[in-house]
Amino acid sequence: DQQVKQNSPSLSVQEGRISILNCDYTNSMFDYFLWYKKYPAEGPTFLISISSIKDKNEDGRFTVFLNKSAKHLSLHIVPSQPGDSAVYFCAASGKNGNNRLAFGKGNQVVVIP
Amino acid sequence: DAGVTQSPTHLIKTRGQQVTLRCSPKSGHDTVSWYQQALGQGPQFIFQYYEEEERQRGNFPDRFSGHQFPNYSSELNVNALLLGDSALYLCASSLKILRDYNEQFFGPGTRLTVL
Repeated sequence: DQQVKQNSPSLSVQEGRISILNCDYTNSMFDYFLWYKKYPAEGPTFLISISSIKDKNEDGRFTVFLNKSAKHLSLHIVPSQPGDSAVYFCAASGKNGNNRLAFGKGNQVVVIP
Repeated sequence: DAGVTQSPTHLIKTRGQQVTLRCSPKSGHDTVSWYQQALGQGPQFIFQYYEEEERQRGNFPDRFSGHQFPNYSSELNVNALLLGDSALYLCASSLKILRDYNEQFFGPGTRLTVL
């Protein structure tokens, strides 16, 4: 059973515009949410995270929004750059340093120069 | 700092064989988790090792086993390989601190192909 869901497998966006990636989850016990970025032939790299007690976290061009009542989060990338072209995974974790991540299937983002 | 390293990079096996994958965690990390990423899917949690013991396990059969050594490095063993075991196997390391979340660092993975 997929506890973390990412729809719209691929996204193409013009350089300088906003990229918005969406993620839904089903397990209300998740306490921490993360976005990872993956380039081919590399492991996923941490991008940004948010605790369930917050509704927004911002780090430079990346902002994650959490709507806990809707069990939905989104990642905004503004402005998009060609180097942002990668697969983005949404992931969720339980409490107390559990560290067991549940991943979505990923979104392929292509930024067109 | 070398980060998380995994070996080998690629591996080809036939059905029924056994395979061992290796992982060295990032310097200073004491916890290793293994994930399986099938084509077109997100990584799936296999198990996690801390203090040389399996602490958590995902929904994987007993054919999947592991080990953690005193230097915190880890091995993933898969017996009686099936075609469906073909995947990218990712190792992630972290430092066990009981707070909200301990950031995990991933290695580049081992690509296993079962023929």
